[in-house]
Parts: sequence; structure tokens; C-alpha cells
Amino acid sequence: GENVEQHPSTLSVQEGDSAVIKCTYSDSASNYFPWYKQELGKRPQLIIDIRSNVGEKKDQRIAVTLNKTAKHFSLHITETQPEDSAVYFCAASINFNKFYFGSGTKLNVKP
Amino acid sequence: DAGVTQSPTHLIKTRGQQVTLRCSPISGHKSVSWYQQVLGQGPQFIFQYYEKEERGRGNFPDRFSARQFPNYSSELNVNALLLGDSALYLCASSLGTSDQETQYFGPGTRLLVL
Repeated sequence: GENVEQHPSTLSVQEGDSAVIKCTYSDSASNYFPWYKQELGKRPQLIIDIRSNVGEKKDQRIAVTLNKTAKHFSLHITETQPEDSAVYFCAASINFNKFYFGSGTKLNVKP
Repeated sequence: DAGVTQSPTHLIKTRGQQVTLRCSPISGHKSVSWYQQVLGQGPQFIFQYYEKEERGRGNFPDRFSARQFPNYSSELNVNALLLGDSALYLCASSLGTSDQETQYFGPGTRLLVL
């Protein structure tokens, strides 16, 4: 089955800096890659997603890039704010069946 | 905003017991997925149901079963509970049609097995 690896496991940045989280996947058939933000004690919330026919997608301070050849995708957060502090999960899916999640990155934005 | 709901919110069981968790999807959503999230890890896929049919199954033992009802709500059953089944169980719903598969998560049911 699909294996999704996520790095780093923890990331600490200064407010205003950029943060980058990287994920790799094993199954080249994966074609949908969502990113979720999970605050302590709360449900995962979708923040951005990308499909395999697109290389990059942006939504305000958040962007995701996808390299299908290398089988990796990354989340970029610019101008980080303290409220961006949370655990971020990447996921991969083949035709929206069986979503496989990474192990998570705990982002700490220091004011 | 009527999101995905789950019940109960918390549950304590002992080893060997059985448990049933419930999920109500967002109105109009026909697909429901179940995940197990152990503390400090990402959600692990258990099942996906669409139109009352099982569409996908993760790498979980047969002690785990699920079903979806005509109103698209779903139940997850776990038999012969083990200590290792202690986790947050998340339900996610989606429309279920092609190009409309964004999953929205419920708040989860926290299960503790003693």
C-alpha cells in the first residue's frame, strides 16, 4: 500500500518567517494530496489540496508544490503568525479512496 | 454550519468488550470514512463507505467492522477490544462524486481501553 513520510516532525520558526514541510509518497498512482491543520484537541481541518495534474497551488499565505517525478510534495507557509502553530498532516490518495496520512509536523511559531 | 458529528465524544471500555461509534455526515454527503488516530501520529485509514457499500478498507483486523445506513450515517464497531485500540476515532464525510471528494472531519470519539 501507499506509504507517506513527512518531515520534519517538529519545526520552530520566528513570527514572520517562512515554514516548509515536506512529504514523500511511494505509490505513483496517488493523484490527490491534501494538507490538514490540527490544533490541540480539535479535528483536522483541510487547509489546501492539490491534484496530480497541477504542480503548484496558492491560497494567500499558503502554497503547496507537487513533484510527481520525485514523488514528493511540500507545504509552504509564508509570513507565519502565532495562530499558525498547530500540527500539520499531509496525505495522499488514489482516486480519493484510502487516504494515507503522514505522521505530522508540529509547527511552533514564536512571537 | 452543520458539520460532521460523532457520538459519543468520550468512551471508556475494558479489554474484551465491544464498542459502537456513530457518525453523521454533512447533509448531502454520501461518503463516510473512518480513521484511527493514536496520540502523536497521523490518522490511519480504517474504512470508506459510499452509498452503503464498502469502497475501501485499511490494514485493520476483522475485529473492526462498519456499516452505512440509508440516511448515510455510519457506525464503526470494534469487537474484543485491546489496550492498543485506545485512540481518537475520526469520521470524515465527502460528497462522494468525482472531483468532489474533499473530506471534512468530525470532532472524533476518544476511546480509552483499560
